[in-house]
Amino acid sequence: GQQVMQIPQYQHVQEGEDFTTYCNSSTTLSNIQWYKQRPGGHPVFLIQLVKSGEVKKQKRLTFQFGEAKKNSSLHITATQTTDVGTYFCAGPYLSSNTGKLIFGQGTTLQVKP
Amino acid sequence: DAGVTQSPTHLIKTRGQQVTLRCSPKSGHDTVSWYQQALGQGPQFIFQYYEEEERQRGNFPDRFSGHQFPNYSSELNVNALLLGDSALYLCASSLNGGVYGYTFGSGTRLTVV
Repeated sequence: GQQVMQIPQYQHVQEGEDFTTYCNSSTTLSNIQWYKQRPGGHPVFLIQLVKSGEVKKQKRLTFQFGEAKKNSSLHITATQTTDVGTYFCAGPYLSSNTGKLIFGQGTTLQVKP
Repeated sequence: DAGVTQSPTHLIKTRGQQVTLRCSPKSGHDTVSWYQQALGQGPQFIFQYYEEEERQRGNFPDRFSGHQFPNYSSELNVNALLLGDSALYLCASSLNGGVYGYTFGSGTRLTVV
């Protein structure tokens, strides 16, 4: 079945270092969404990428969607302790634009002050 | 404030019992999706409701059922609870099937003993 995989599973960084998480889908996606879940919290929508090769920035966060629309990445520049949490990518099931999202297993980021 | 309200926040049930979880979507949203999140995993899609109909369903048994009311609020029912049903149950609301991302509630932590 359709799968979305993320690496790494865990990442520990020193505050100020950069961080990148990678997301790979077994199928072509119509779009990809990124969510952040703080410890003990719920997923919070960060962004949606739709176009092949799309790059979007949110302050220190840079999101990319691959040319083949099967992979994506999230890069955080100069991490801060507020960046701690688990970052999930999610793609629509069977590339539909509505309904079921398939989530990756997430990358948990720990930041040492 | 997530905008999506779920109740109760925590619940302990005995194996074999039935449970009902409730969700009020974010104002203006018309679609409600339910997800199950086991510890350390990404959310798994259970089903989605739109216009009071189940529009899409994930790989969950018939013990999991739901309902959407005219005011867009929703319930998730689980019958014949198993130990493996212990998880965080997340409700996510969206507009137009989630094209602009999903807003998650804080979830209901269900423990089956």
